[in-house]
Amino acid sequence: AQTVTQSQPEMSVQEAETVTLSCTYDTSESDYYLFWYKQPPSRQMILVIRQEAYKQQNATENRFSVNFQKAAKSFSLKISDSQLGDAAMYFCAYRRNRDDKIIFGKGTRLHILP
Amino acid sequence: DAGVIQSPRHEVTEMGQEVTLRCKPISGHNSLFWYRQTMMRGLELLIYFNNNVPIDDSGMPEDRFSAKMPNASFSTLKIQPSEPRDSAVYFCASSTGLQEQYFGPGTRLTVT
Repeated sequence: AQTVTQSQPEMSVQEAETVTLSCTYDTSESDYYLFWYKQPPSRQMILVIRQEAYKQQNATENRFSVNFQKAAKSFSLKISDSQLGDAAMYFCAYRRNRDDKIIFGKGTRLHILP
Repeated sequence: DAGVIQSPRHEVTEMGQEVTLRCKPISGHNSLFWYRQTMMRGLELLIYFNNNVPIDDSGMPEDRFSAKMPNASFSTLKIQPSEPRDSAVYFCASSTGLQEQYFGPGTRLTVT
């Protein structure tokens, strides 16, 4: 069965600094998608970034980038120039290509220190 | 696009009452998902539909929970009778099936 593990329940970073959130997953599939979702205090789940497993190039969205290590089954999220609005719960998620379901990790709560 | 629409945003009810949560997916999306989020259990998938057909309801806690999708633009999640342990935030999400899911704003349910 596929699993997604986020080993850091909480993290803090100084405003304007860079922070990396860790995620590992377990799968026997070769074709799948990985996602990072953000859930701010408003509760809205917002897609931050998506990575296709067949792509070797790491996905980037403005200040957000990932380090995708397929062999190691690792998918970390780097947030550069952290802003107060980045404070949220971040969920790592996995979906195999032939499935609709997304499997979510338990989340990492990120605090931004002014 | 208006995004996924859920109603009500907040629901407070007494134990034993029936609760109905509603969801309108994004137009054109053919998969719809119902999740429950609590502090203790995190984000749990309850059920999902593809082309209005329930595909996997293994996450539905018990017979008190039921979900329907009578057409491509509407789904309901019903709890009857409700219990205090059902208090949670319930999310609806939709997707085109092979892409990421887009979430609604959630319904915060409190059962007293």
